[in-house]
Amino acid sequence: AQTVTQSQPEMSVQEAETVTLSCTYDTSESDYYLFWYKQPPSRQMILVIRQEAYKQQNATENRFSVNFQKAAKSFSLKISDSQLGDAAMYFCAYRSGESSGDKLTFGTGTRLAVRP
Amino acid sequence: EPEVTQTPSHQVTQMGQEVILRCVPISNHLYFYWYRQILGQKVEFLVSFYNNEISEKSEIFDDQFSVERPDGSNFTLKIRSTKLEDSAMYFCASSGWGGYTFGSGTRLTVV
Repeated sequence: AQTVTQSQPEMSVQEAETVTLSCTYDTSESDYYLFWYKQPPSRQMILVIRQEAYKQQNATENRFSVNFQKAAKSFSLKISDSQLGDAAMYFCAYRSGESSGDKLTFGTGTRLAVRP
Repeated sequence: EPEVTQTPSHQVTQMGQEVILRCVPISNHLYFYWYRQILGQKVEFLVSFYNNEISEKSEIFDDQFSVERPDGSNFTLKIRSTKLEDSAMYFCASSGWGGYTFGSGTRLTVV
């Protein structure tokens, strides 16, 4: 079974600075997807960024980018120019790529605080 | 952009009562899911549903839980006899090739 580990329960960053959230995973599959979800106090699950394992290029979405290290099974999220609205819980998630119908396996989350 | 719609947003129920949580998945998605998040904890998979039957379920999804697609648009999660520990946020999701979308959740409070 796949597992996802987020070793940082809490992180803090100064507004306008850069922060990196860590995620590692364990799988024997070669085809899979990785995700970062943001969960604000409303508890809605908001997709931040997605990475296909077969793509060597790291995904980017505006201020959000990932460092995907397939051999090391590492998938970290970098948030540049942090804003107050980035404060939330961030979850890393894994999904098998073998069909379009597989479940997501989540990590335990990292709570990000942004200091003004 | 297509959305997964969940109703109600918040439900309070007495322990032992039956509750039905409702979801309208994205219309061209074929796979549907329910996830649960107890306050302060991670999101956990409950069940996936495809072609009008359960395709996978977790250990959490015991005989107290059931899912149904009663018509062409709705997808429901029923908890037969609620317990205090069923209090959580319940997320519906749907997926198709290229997309995996969560609803905004139903906060279930069992008192």
